[in-house]
Amino acid sequence: SQKIEQNSEALNIQEGKTATLTCNYTNYSPAYLQWYRQDPGRGPVFLLLIRENEKEKRKERLKVTFDTTLKQSLFHITASQPADSATYLCALGDTGNQFYFGTGTSLTVIP
Amino acid sequence: DADVTQTPRNRITKTGKRIMLECSQTKGHDRMYWYRQDPGLGLRLIYYSFDVKDINKGEISDGYSVSRQAQAKFSLSLESAIPNQTALYFCATSDGRVHGYTFGSGTRLTVV
Repeated sequence: SQKIEQNSEALNIQEGKTATLTCNYTNYSPAYLQWYRQDPGRGPVFLLLIRENEKEKRKERLKVTFDTTLKQSLFHITASQPADSATYLCALGDTGNQFYFGTGTSLTVIP
Repeated sequence: DADVTQTPRNRITKTGKRIMLECSQTKGHDRMYWYRQDPGLGLRLIYYSFDVKDINKGEISDGYSVSRQAQAKFSLSLESAIPNQTALYFCATSDGRVHGYTFGSGTRLTVV
């Protein structure tokens, strides 16, 4: 079965720096990859989707890359702010009908 | 009002009891999903439905059942709750066009 790995350790960065989160996967060839933000006690909130034939996608301060050879996605937050502190989840899908989620990486941006 | 509403927000129940978690949506989406979230395990799919007459099992459907009462309503039942079903449960919807899911705020269920 598919396996999705995200940075298991929490990531702490200084305000203003770029945060980079990693999502690696095995035993799977997803056609789509999504990133979500989750705050404590809340449901995940959709941020970005990238397709297998897209190398990079941007939205404001967010950038996602998708390398199907390395089986990896990188999620970047530039000019990070304390309000960006949350857990970030990646999710992989093939037809768009079901997505499989990673366990998430906790990000803390220190003022 | 929230696009996806889950009730109750919190519930404590005893082992062996039957419990129902409810989900309603105002997004107009055909597709609805139930996930559970456990520390270290991430979100795992329990059941999903693509329309009122369509119900599908996910990765971890044993011990659960669902009912799609209408396009906007999808409920999850635990027929006989057990302690390892203690988790955070989320309902989600999608329009099936590979846009992101819209999640509810979750139900925190504790089985004692």
